[in-house]
Amino acid sequence: SQKIEQNSEALNIQEGKTATLTCNYTNYSPAYLQWYRQDPGRGPVFLLLIRENEKEKRKERLKVTFDTTLKQSLFHITASQPADSATYLCALDPEYGNKLVFGAGTILRVKS
Amino acid sequence: GAGVSQSPRYKVAKRGQDVALRCDPISGHVSLFWYQQALGQGPEFLTYFQNEAQLDKSGLPSDRFFAERPEGSVSTLKIQRTQQEDSAVYLCASSPEDRGYNTIYFGEGSWLTVV
Repeated sequence: SQKIEQNSEALNIQEGKTATLTCNYTNYSPAYLQWYRQDPGRGPVFLLLIRENEKEKRKERLKVTFDTTLKQSLFHITASQPADSATYLCALDPEYGNKLVFGAGTILRVKS
Repeated sequence: GAGVSQSPRYKVAKRGQDVALRCDPISGHVSLFWYQQALGQGPEFLTYFQNEAQLDKSGLPSDRFFAERPEGSVSTLKIQRTQQEDSAVYLCASSPEDRGYNTIYFGEGSWLTVV
């Protein structure tokens, strides 16, 4: 069956460290993958999109990698801050159209 | 407004009641999506509009769910004869393009509780 898996346990890290979140998928061949941030009681906010022919994408303190052989994306936040605490969702489009499939998200807590 | 606006933000409905959830997308956005998010889960696709045309409604869980976007801007998601399993956050999103390779902007959601 098709599925997307993200770390089910919350990730607790110390301020200033690098947070690494994992997104694994099975039985999909997505053209691209997206990462979103969601704060409690709010809608998801788009962060980054990485295409299948891109190995790595960066935006300020954020870095995303996409390994289509391993069927995995890694999301890194460097020099993490307490304000980075949120749920991070990965999503892919399995039909090259307009229907995103989301993982359940990983809760990140950055402690000062 | 600058973002996607949804109303009501919170709705408590008695089982069997009909509800209507409204979405005002960002002005000029061609694509509009509805997603359902249960507690602790990621959003799940319900339906997609390109302007006024509903091109994909494969995610609607039953025929009690109906969505429309008659003039290609505001959209309404209607749920008839609500049941407890309909309790969730209903998220609307819009995109300026007709393909999904672009930024999708979500609203804050409508929280539905069926009692």
